[in-house]
Amino acid sequence: DSGVTQTPKHLITATGQRVTLRCSPRSGDLSVYWYQQSLDQGLQFLIQYYNGEERAKGNILERFSAQQFPDLHSELNLSSLELGDSALYFCASSGTGRTEAFFGQGTRLTVV
Amino acid sequence: DAKTTQPPSMDCAEGRAANLPCNHSTISGNEYVYWYRQIHSQGPQYIIHGLKNNETNEMASLIITEDRKSSTLILPHATLRDTAVYYCIVRGSQGNLIFGKGTKLSVKP
Repeated sequence: DSGVTQTPKHLITATGQRVTLRCSPRSGDLSVYWYQQSLDQGLQFLIQYYNGEERAKGNILERFSAQQFPDLHSELNLSSLELGDSALYFCASSGTGRTEAFFGQGTRLTVV
Repeated sequence: DAKTTQPPSMDCAEGRAANLPCNHSTISGNEYVYWYRQIHSQGPQYIIHGLKNNETNEMASLIITEDRKSSTLILPHATLRDTAVYYCIVRGSQGNLIFGKGTKLSVKP
């Protein structure tokens, strides 16, 4: 158990809809990262937050957004969903004084 | 951003040591090398990381060459449960972990 919790584990929704994925980082970790992994693809970095502020941005679509709340949990919002958005979405967290990041078990999103 | 190069696949006999190589010839002097693995579609699991010196923990050993242009992850006694995709990673300029395609390690009985 990495200590990073993601909910829900599975999500099935229709095209055009909007969903929210949630991530609770390890206790005390200030940084949260979001990654997308499509079928048979590598992990693509989407976005990073540090203590509530956006720190880095990767290949995140404009239809996607994220935020980190004062209690440090983070949410990834995906809107106007398309079939191609079907993927595993992983959250990771890391803490001050520790450079390694720990990943949650992911949310499997299926868009039908 | 520093990039890493790994062989796409490797086989290892159960009980033998698995040695997974990685080239990171463009790594800068203060960049760590991280190793993760992913079993099926589970979340990537942190294994080990290092800067210059060799490192060992309960999961594996990491050998980094003196010029830091390559490293080797060693699983001393591979088991069937070690079958996974292994990623050698450096952080990008923004601090995020950049995953490549990794090495698919198959441990065979």
